[in-house]
Amino acid sequence: AQSVSQHNHHVILSEAASLELGCNYSYGGTVNLFWYVQYPGQHLQLLLKYFSGDPLVKGIKGFEAEFIKSKFSFNLRKPSVQWSDTAEYFCAVNVPSSASKIIFGSGTRLSIRP
Amino acid sequence: EAQVTQNPRYLITVTGKKLTVTCSQNMNHEYMSWYRQDPGLGLRQIYYSMNVEVTDKGDVPEGYKVSRKEKRNFPLILESPSPNQTSLYFCASSLKTGIPYEQYFGPGTRLTVT
Repeated sequence: AQSVSQHNHHVILSEAASLELGCNYSYGGTVNLFWYVQYPGQHLQLLLKYFSGDPLVKGIKGFEAEFIKSKFSFNLRKPSVQWSDTAEYFCAVNVPSSASKIIFGSGTRLSIRP
Repeated sequence: EAQVTQNPRYLITVTGKKLTVTCSQNMNHEYMSWYRQDPGLGLRQIYYSMNVEVTDKGDVPEGYKVSRKEKRNFPLILESPSPNQTSLYFCASSLKTGIPYEQYFGPGTRLTVT
């Protein structure tokens, strides 16, 4: 069965620090990959997605992610975080052949110290 | 305004008392889905629907029912709620099935079963 792992459960950074959140998935075939963000008290919003083409994907609010097929990874990065980036971040995988099932990771809580 | 709405937003109920959480989208989306969010477990898919009258189980369907009689509505039914169904529930929709379109999430329903 497909699975998504986010090994960092809680990350604490100071403002202006660089961010990298890990995401690994277990599936050998074609995948579609997403990062969603959930700000405190709000619903999930899409940050970025990858389904083909350039493996370096740019999203909203200065976030980017790199798909490395050989490592089954889709890590999220931001060069300089802000206090407003405090949120929970979810990686998700969709396997096109599995009739639209989408599997989410357990999430990484990001806390930014002002 | 394009949106996914859920009602109620908060619900406290007792074991065994049937309840329905409504979900409605105004974007003419084909695909709709229900998730539950629990601490440390991320989002887990309960049921999804690829179009009217087409529904299928996600990863955690036990104790839940759904129906899709109209394109815009996708209610989640708990026939006999139990305390282990205490959770935060999200409905989501996306334009098409089997294609990596962005999912739009509702605001969430926090359910407590005592």
